Amino acid sequence: EAGVVQSPRYKIIEKKQPVAFWCNPISGHNTLYWYRQNLGQGPELLIRYENEEAVDDSQLPKDRFSAERLKGVDSTLKIQPAELGDSAVYLCASSLSLFSTPYEQYFGPGTRLTVT
Amino acid sequence: KQEVTQIPAALSVPEGENLVLNCSFTDSAIYNLQWFRQDPGKGLTSLLLIQSSQREQTSGRLNASLDKSSGRSTLYIAASQPGDSATYLCAVQGGSEKLVFGKGTKLTVNP
Repeated sequence: EAGVVQSPRYKIIEKKQPVAFWCNPISGHNTLYWYRQNLGQGPELLIRYENEEAVDDSQLPKDRFSAERLKGVDSTLKIQPAELGDSAVYLCASSLSLFSTPYEQYFGPGTRLTVT
Repeated sequence: KQEVTQIPAALSVPEGENLVLNCSFTDSAIYNLQWFRQDPGKGLTSLLLIQSSQREQTSGRLNASLDKSSGRSTLYIAASQPGDSATYLCAVQGGSEKLVFGKGTKLTVNP
């Protein structure tokens, strides 16, 4: 069974440029998460989707970040415009959540973003 | 607000040694606790998940314990090997379903 797929794996952009990350969760997983991991830190949640609905986006900087999961499967996270402080690893995770019982989260390999 | 602390931040041991990594959390109202491994430049690999009703979980040379009332978990690695070198992250999951992570312990096992 394929794991969580993310692309690209690495991205280098100049500040003020836009960038987008893509994630395809494990088949059948209805919950999708985007995390950001700064150097030397643990990941922090940006947004959580239940199917196509964003149910927790309280940590998403909405002035420059946006995300979508139109068909409840794959998802795109966008930054526009990027700032130097956005340099980090962006991790996607998925889980199978039934009712309100949280299940184990499976992570993709991440996208390492460098903003110059 | 849930906070997770991992001690030590870094650990270097000779091959074959048994070791313990520590994790503490401030809010005991959790659904589960997960231990992850992260290799440089890679994503997170789940090692063990302990439900809030459980006290420990074992997988091969790894054993994780959970004391929810005191807000503590330990990851025990037996007979360490150079291939165990990585950063180990502890994370707790509460009602919001998001994982709250510690900063990790960087483990180096020397041949």
